[in-house]
Amino acid sequence: NAGVTQTPKFQVLKTGQSMTLQCAQDMNHEYMSWYRQDPGMGLRLIHYSVGAGITDQGEVPNGYNVSRSTTEDFPLRLLSAAPSQTSVYFCASRRRDSYEQYFGPGTRLTVT
Amino acid sequence: AQSVTQLDSQVPVFEEAPVELRCNYSSSVSVYLFWYVQYPNQGLQLLLKYLSGSTLVESINGFEAEFNKSQTSFHLRKPSVHISDTAEYFCAVSRSGGSNYKLTFGKGTLLTVNP
Repeated sequence: NAGVTQTPKFQVLKTGQSMTLQCAQDMNHEYMSWYRQDPGMGLRLIHYSVGAGITDQGEVPNGYNVSRSTTEDFPLRLLSAAPSQTSVYFCASRRRDSYEQYFGPGTRLTVT
Repeated sequence: AQSVTQLDSQVPVFEEAPVELRCNYSSSVSVYLFWYVQYPNQGLQLLLKYLSGSTLVESINGFEAEFNKSQTSFHLRKPSVHISDTAEYFCAVSRSGGSNYKLTFGKGTLLTVNP
C-alpha cells in the first residue's frame, strides 16, 4: 500500500491564482481530512469527508473548496490564493471504526 | 467543543535524560486522547492513544502517557531519550463514541535531544 499520497510536494503561487492540491489513499478509508499547519498553531482542520459525496467544513474553511467523488481521492482547491494561505497542508484518512489517522507527507505552499 | 493546551513549545534535553511533555485538555464530554509525532520534513504518525481501560498507555519505542481525568491531563514521558527522538510532538483530543471524526490538536512541543 502507498498509504496517503499528496501532490505536489512544493508549490509557489502568486496572489489570486488558483490551484488544486491532490490527495489519494489506497486503504479504502471512509474518512478523509485536510489540515493546515502553521508555526506555533498546530494543525487546524480545513474540511473533512465521511464518505464519497459527503463533505463538511472544519475550523478554517474560508478560501478552500473540496469534493469527494470517489473513496480514494479528496482534492483541496484554492480558488484565489492569498498570502495568508502560505502553509503546509496535510491530508489524512482513517477507517470509520478506528481513531488512528494516517497522514500524507504534506504539501508546502507559498503564496507571494 | 474540545481544546488542547501543550504547556511547552520547546523542550531541549540531553541524550539519556528523562523527559516529560505536558498536555492538558478541556472538554464537556468524554474524550479520546492521542499523541502524534512529526519527524523533520515528514507527516504526522500516531505515537500512542488512550481510548478506554488502563490509564497508562505505552508506545513501542519507550514513550508512555497517563490519562488523568481529574487533572484533565495526558502527559507524555520517556525515562531516557535518544537523539532520534528529536521531533515535534502533538497532543490531540476527539470526542469519544458515535461517528465522531474530528481531531483537535495542540500547538505542538518541539523536543530537541542534544548529545
